[in-house]
Amino acid sequence: NAGVTQTPKFQVLKTGQSMTLQCAQDMNHEYMSWYRQDPGMGLRLIHYSVGAGITDQGEVPNGYNVSRSTTEDFPLRLLSAAPSQTSVYFCASKTDREIGEQYFGPGTRLTVT
Amino acid sequence: GNSVTQMEGPVTLSEEAFLTINCTYTATGYPSLFWYVQYPGEGLQLLLKATKADDKGSNKGFEATYRKETTSFHLEKGSVQVSDSAVYFCALSERIQGAQKLVFGQGTRLTINP
Repeated sequence: NAGVTQTPKFQVLKTGQSMTLQCAQDMNHEYMSWYRQDPGMGLRLIHYSVGAGITDQGEVPNGYNVSRSTTEDFPLRLLSAAPSQTSVYFCASKTDREIGEQYFGPGTRLTVT
Repeated sequence: GNSVTQMEGPVTLSEEAFLTINCTYTATGYPSLFWYVQYPGEGLQLLLKATKADDKGSNKGFEATYRKETTSFHLEKGSVQVSDSAVYFCALSERIQGAQKLVFGQGTRLTINP
C-alpha cells in the first residue's frame, strides 16, 4: 500500500493563478479531508468528504473547492490564489466506521507571491 | 465549539530528560483524544490515543492519560532521545453531521540535544 499520496510536494504560484492539489489513497477509506498548517495555528480543516459524491466544508473553506468522484481521489482546487493561502497542505483519510487513526499524506508546501 | 490548547513551545531538553507536554481540551460530550507526531519534512503520524475517561494511551515510551475531571491529556516520556525531536499535536475527535473530524492544538516543537 502506498497509503496517502500528494502531488506536488512544492508549488509556487502568482496571485490570481489557479491550481489543483492532488490527493489519492489506496486503503479504500471512506473519509478524506484537507487541512492547512500554519505556524502557531496547528492544522485547520478546509473540506472533508464522507464518501464518493459527498463533500462538506470545514473550518476554513473560503477560496477552495473540492470534489470526490471516486473513493480514491480527493483533489483540492485553489480558484484564484492569494498570499494568505501560502501554507502547507495535508490530505488525510480514515475509515469513518471507527474512532481511529487518520492517515496523513506527506504534504504540499504552497507559496503564493 | 470544541477546542484544544497545548503548552507553548519550543521545548528544548537534553537526552534522557523527563518530558511533559501539557494539553487541555474543551468539549461537549466525551471526545476521543489523540497525540500526533510530525517529524521534519513529513506528514503527521498517530502516536497514541484514548477513547474514554481514565484510559491510558501508550506507544514508543510515550504515555498520556485521559483525565475527564481536569479535561487534560498530557503527554509524558521518562527518558527522551534525540530521535524524539519533532512537533507534537494534541487533538480531539468530534462527530459533526455524521462525520468524525479532528480538532488540533497548535503544536509543540520539541528539540532534544545530545
